[in-house]
Amino acid sequence: DIQMTQSPSSLSASVGDRVTITCQASQDISNYLNWYQQKPGKAPKLLIYDASNLETGVPSRFSGSGSGTDFTFTISSLQPEDIATYYCQQYDNLPPTFGQGTKVEIK
Amino acid sequence: QVQLQESGPGLVKPSETLSLTCTVSGGSVSSGSYYWSWIRQPPGKGLEWIGYIYYSGSTNYNPSLKSRVTISVDTSKNQFSLKLSSVTAADTAVYYCARDRYSDFGGYMDVWGKGTTVTVSS
Repeated sequence: DIQMTQSPSSLSASVGDRVTITCQASQDISNYLNWYQQKPGKAPKLLIYDASNLETGVPSRFSGSGSGTDFTFTISSLQPEDIATYYCQQYDNLPPTFGQGTKVEIK
Repeated sequence: QVQLQESGPGLVKPSETLSLTCTVSGGSVSSGSYYWSWIRQPPGKGLEWIGYIYYSGSTNYNPSLKSRVTISVDTSKNQFSLKLSSVTAADTAVYYCARDRYSDFGGYMDVWGKGTTVTVSS
């Protein structure tokens, strides 16, 4: 299985701050990398697919980049409603695998 | 708008079989554009893909669970189902069903059910 390593595991930032999360794959996954947001007690929600494509209806403050083994997820201006855990997921090889998650909190 | 809803027992005894159903509304499980996946999340932990099914009945399972998992589809009821046999406490989790846009060029899960909590306990 492809291992996905996210960092940091948690972060605390102020409203309006730029937030960046990184995800590293254990092997080349091209651009087959997705990002999900999970709020407490809720199902994950797709935000970004194929590394940089914004899912319909997702605010433009969310963005993604990268290819190969190294990927970045950015919230350009953190909002209170962005408090959640964020997961990366590779879908280059079966089984699809997820990172361990990054919990984002408000400072 | 497509919606998915999981259903099934919330409590299962050790060594028994966990059975869940996902009902698809606002769309068809027979659509050739999608696969249909099950994912689980143990309490306080991350996400684990269990497997998927295509409307034709073709399946693919996570090797870590393959010996215990069966996913099936009922196109007449617009449902797909999960069976996990010989469960232990380690199978306690929230179980999600999801629409899966898997292809030869990657994929992603773009619609999720709300999830159902299954506890394995005697």
